[in-house]
Amino acid sequence: QSALTQPASVSGSPGQSITISCTGTSSDVGTYNYVSWYQHHPGKAPKLMIYDVTNRPSGVSNRFSGSKSGNTASLTISGLQSEDEADYYCGSYTSSSPHVVFGGGTKLTVL
Amino acid sequence: EVQLLESGGDLVQPGGSLRLSCAASGITFSNYAMSWVRQAPGRGLEWVSGISGSGGSTYYADSVKGRFTISRDNSKNTLYLQMSSLRDEDMALYYCAINRDGSSWYLCDYWGQGTLVTVSS
Repeated sequence: QSALTQPASVSGSPGQSITISCTGTSSDVGTYNYVSWYQHHPGKAPKLMIYDVTNRPSGVSNRFSGSKSGNTASLTISGLQSEDEADYYCGSYTSSSPHVVFGGGTKLTVL
Repeated sequence: EVQLLESGGDLVQPGGSLRLSCAASGITFSNYAMSWVRQAPGRGLEWVSGISGSGGSTYYADSVKGRFTISRDNSKNTLYLQMSSLRDEDMALYYCAINRDGSSWYLCDYWGQGTLVTVSS
């Protein structure tokens, strides 16, 4: 299956809010509420930030939130901080085996 | 604290073989399904393979089926990926990850830092 579509890059200033989109199809994002988001600082282990569209794991700042509309899921980061500068990836359950698809990643730059 | 430490990445010629390992700590290893996920240079994440907590069920992406074998040793808290018939397109940073369960490969609760596989003659 094709990868989920994410913008290559987004940017924002400290304190602002940004949104990263993750566009799939009716075979994945559009049908299932099984979307996850990961933060990856290069050289470090990726970190789960959001699961099942809107849920935050324990310890993840409430500045991070997730939503979904149709075939597009979104990750919103409010009150942008310098440490939020990283790559962000989405993942989704999909109807076709092996039932997983990831996005191409979005580089977030904090200006 | 959950920790995953991958090892075994190396430079290998096309057609060659390599075995990756992932040592886990801070969890009851056998309780969790696990995955290998890779990231080729300049590309996004690609799920490669998954295995149930018991090791009895294994799953593969079409791109590696028949060439890669995932396994685990629950007595050693270690996950493996045996890779053979390696191709240029297998060159990537390989991560191991802990999954919520064996039907949720999209949901990786914890990840390692990765081990680099370079395929080149």
